[in-house]
Amino acid sequence: AQKITQTQPGMFVQEKEAVTLDCTYDTSDPSYGLFWYKQPSSGEMIFLIYQGSYDQQNATEGRYSLNFQKARKSANLVISASQLGDSAMYFCAMRVRDDKIIFGKGTRLHILP
Amino acid sequence: KAGVTQTPRYLIKTRGQQVTLSCSPISGHRSVSWYQQTPGQGLQFLFEYFSETQRNKGNFPGRFSGRQFSNSRSEMNVSTLELGDSALYLCASSLRGGGPTDTQYFGPGTRLTVL
Repeated sequence: AQKITQTQPGMFVQEKEAVTLDCTYDTSDPSYGLFWYKQPSSGEMIFLIYQGSYDQQNATEGRYSLNFQKARKSANLVISASQLGDSAMYFCAMRVRDDKIIFGKGTRLHILP
Repeated sequence: KAGVTQTPRYLIKTRGQQVTLSCSPISGHRSVSWYQQTPGQGLQFLFEYFSETQRNKGNFPGRFSGRQFSNSRSEMNVSTLELGDSALYLCASSLRGGGPTDTQYFGPGTRLTVL
C-alpha cells in the first residue's frame, strides 16, 4: 500500500533561518511523483515543487528545494531564508501511475519575527 | 492563464438539504479531482474525473456524487446534508489525470457550513 508520513505536526522557526520539513513515503512501484503544497490560512493549496522518482537531481524552485533520498524513501522540503509569509500548512503528496494522489497529514509551520 | 475557479466560495445550508458545487479547471486541463478538508479528518479524496469518466473514487457514502462535462468543468453534489459535511471542499485540475508527473493545481475552495 502507498503511504505518506509527515512526522512533524508543527514547527516554530525564526525568520531568515532555513527550514526542513520531513516527508517519508512508501511504495513498491518504481515510477512515482512527489509533490509539496503550501496551504495558507486562506485555504487555497499552492503547488510548490515536484520530484520524479527517476530524476537524478534534487528539484529546486526559488527558495524551495526537495532533498530526495530514494534509498531512504524520503522527500524533505527545504525552505531557505524563511519569511513571515511562509507561515502555513505544508503537505507532502505522492502519485503512483494513474492512482489518486495521496497526501500526508501536513506540518504547520510558524515563522517567528 | 486563469487558475482553477470554484463557485460558490461560501455556502450555508441546513441539514437535509442538498448542495451543488462547481469547478472550472485551468484551460486545457482534462482532469478534475475533489477533496474534502476538515480539522478532524484532514484532507480526504472524494473522486477524480478525466474526460467525463470517473477514474478514481474515495471512500465516501453515495450521498456524494460528481460529474464532469465535455468542457472539463465539474460539479459535485451532496444530498441529504449532515452536520459532519461542513468542510472546505477543494477542487484540483491536472493536464492528463494520471501518471506520476501529472501535477494537480487547486482552486480556492468552497467553504460549506451545514446548520
